[in-house]
Amino acid sequence: KAGVTQTPRYLIKTRGQQVTLSCSPISGHRSVSWYQQTPGQGLQFLFEYFSETQRNKGNFPGRFSGRQFSNSRSEMNVSTLELGDSALYLCASSLDRVRYGYTFGSGTRLTVV
Amino acid sequence: AQRVTQPEKLLSVFKGAPVELKCNYSYSGSPELFWYVQYSRQRLQLLLRHISRESIKGFTADLNKGETSFHLKKPFAQEEDSAMYYCALHGGSQGNLIFGKGTKLSVKP
Repeated sequence: KAGVTQTPRYLIKTRGQQVTLSCSPISGHRSVSWYQQTPGQGLQFLFEYFSETQRNKGNFPGRFSGRQFSNSRSEMNVSTLELGDSALYLCASSLDRVRYGYTFGSGTRLTVV
Repeated sequence: AQRVTQPEKLLSVFKGAPVELKCNYSYSGSPELFWYVQYSRQRLQLLLRHISRESIKGFTADLNKGETSFHLKKPFAQEEDSAMYYCALHGGSQGNLIFGKGTKLSVKP
């Protein structure tokens, strides 16, 4: 079965712009989580959605937001981009509770110039 | 606060040598722990979960609640084991996984 699909793979944006990233989870997975990965900070949790509801949120500013649709696909949005937002954004899906582990997508590499 | 510590950024061993990747956690309840691996140019993937008590690709990890550790071990390292390894914790109060900073394992021929 298809894995977790993230689009686009690469993005280059200018400071001040906004960006939307997309994630399609594994079929049947209802939980989608987003992480930011950087060399300095490693993997940092952004938020988790389950059945269209945000279940958990990490310590990121309000410029970072997300949503989940009825088909479990998820999007995350970053407004007013800053240079420090340059990172690999990873989406992960799981069946239900995280205790079973995530399946990760390949990520979207965002570069802010 | 929940935290995962991987004290080694880089671990270099020779092929055939034993490997131990250290992971310590901070959590007051009953944790669920995972090891993830990222090979070069590949996505992050689940290696093993402590609840499964499994051995994957020759790797094992035992949860030691007394020492709050979940070290990853393999008796004989192979060159194809070279990768980035992340330890992760799932604590009950939060739905997300908390990751350590990772250890880069390099297995030399």
